[in-house]
Amino acid sequence: LAKTTQPISMDSYEGQEVNITCSHNNIATNDYITWYQQFPSQGPRFIIQGYKTKVTNEVASLFIPADRKSSTLSLPRVSLSDTAVYYCLVGDRGNFNKFYFGSGTKLNVKP
Amino acid sequence: EAQVTQNPRYLITVTGKKLTVTCSQNMNHEYMSWYRQDPGLGLRQIYYSMNVEVTDKGDVPEGYKVSRKEKRNFPLILESPSPNQTSLYFCASSSPWEGSTDTQYFGPGTRLTVL
Repeated sequence: LAKTTQPISMDSYEGQEVNITCSHNNIATNDYITWYQQFPSQGPRFIIQGYKTKVTNEVASLFIPADRKSSTLSLPRVSLSDTAVYYCLVGDRGNFNKFYFGSGTKLNVKP
Repeated sequence: EAQVTQNPRYLITVTGKKLTVTCSQNMNHEYMSWYRQDPGLGLRQIYYSMNVEVTDKGDVPEGYKVSRKEKRNFPLILESPSPNQTSLYFCASSSPWEGSTDTQYFGPGTRLTVL
């Protein structure tokens, strides 16, 4: 089961770009990398998913190097409402979708 | 509206009193899962189900049971709750036909306190 390592917390200011890196050294060939956002007392919400190189949607970008042992979630011009916990998830398809979320990264956006 | 619902949202109970937390989704998803969330430990998977009558253990299944008799429902059963099961519980669902089962939709959570 591929596990992930993320920084426990990060601070940023409104308007800045934030990059959160996740390490997943044991990622398997068929695994995808998925990021979720969670606000206090709410369920996690899907942000973005990728397999390799770069993926971009209206919320974020995901950068995955060729070796896929890490990934970086990029949030452009954050606002106070982006204060949340961000989870990096690597899907273990070999175990029929048993998932490991880890502790996530608490992003604090300051005014 | 596509959603995952959980009931109850809040529950205070006593040690040993059997309880069930219900989970229902209206998206016709094959995959459903239960997680618990504790401070400093993130989200940990309890049980998951790939389809009706197909369930399997996650990382922390001890003290829990599940059943999947209907596609839309996936109840979590605590037959003899203990204080260490005090936690915030989330149900999630997804479908491999909508991208991947990694794209999970989460319910609003159930905060359980066992005294």
